[in-house]
Amino acid sequence: AQKVTQAQTEISVVEKEDVTLDCVYETRDTTYYLFWYKQPPSGELVFLIRRNSFDEQNEISGRYSWNFQKSTSSFNFTITASQVVDSAVYFCALSTGNTPLVFGKGTRLSVIA
Amino acid sequence: GAGVSQTPSNKVTEKGKYVELRCDPISGHTALYWYRQSLGQGPEFLIYFQGTGAADDSGLPNDRFFAVRPEGSVSTLKIQRTERGDSAVYLCASSLVVGGQETQYFGPGTRLLVL
Repeated sequence: AQKVTQAQTEISVVEKEDVTLDCVYETRDTTYYLFWYKQPPSGELVFLIRRNSFDEQNEISGRYSWNFQKSTSSFNFTITASQVVDSAVYFCALSTGNTPLVFGKGTRLSVIA
Repeated sequence: GAGVSQTPSNKVTEKGKYVELRCDPISGHTALYWYRQSLGQGPEFLIYFQGTGAADDSGLPNDRFFAVRPEGSVSTLKIQRTERGDSAVYLCASSLVVGGQETQYFGPGTRLLVL
């Protein structure tokens, strides 16, 4: 069975601080896919990134970066120089390919001006 | 292009009533998923369609829940004899598999409140 754990329920930072959201996953499959989604107050889940299990390269997109480490089954998400617009609930999710996503419980990020 | 749309955006009903929730996927997406999100939780899988058929309905909580996708596009989630515990946000996602890889794109959800 697959499982995703986001141990941080809520995080609060001051604008311009860097913040890292943790994600730990469990699966017995050798091929799997990891995702991050953002859910702003409007409620819609916004896709941020997909990572394949066979590609451990870290990725950077603007202020966002992702650190994938198979050795620790983690897929952490860092926001650099956070902004108020980053305030949202962030979900990490896992699938094993053409299967439903298994989500963590989410981390609520509040960025204070 | 247009994203996934869901109607209604909000639905208030009384216990015991029947409700239908509609999902219009991204054009050309063959896979469609329904999830349910309770307050403070992550979305939980309900049912998955590949084309017109339900490929996996293992997430449906009981036989009061049913979903259809008769023409392989629009899907309707149907809940009979609603209970207060059915109150949640119902999310729909669609995806296109390219090269064996898939990304699900979500609609805005339908917020269901059963009184």
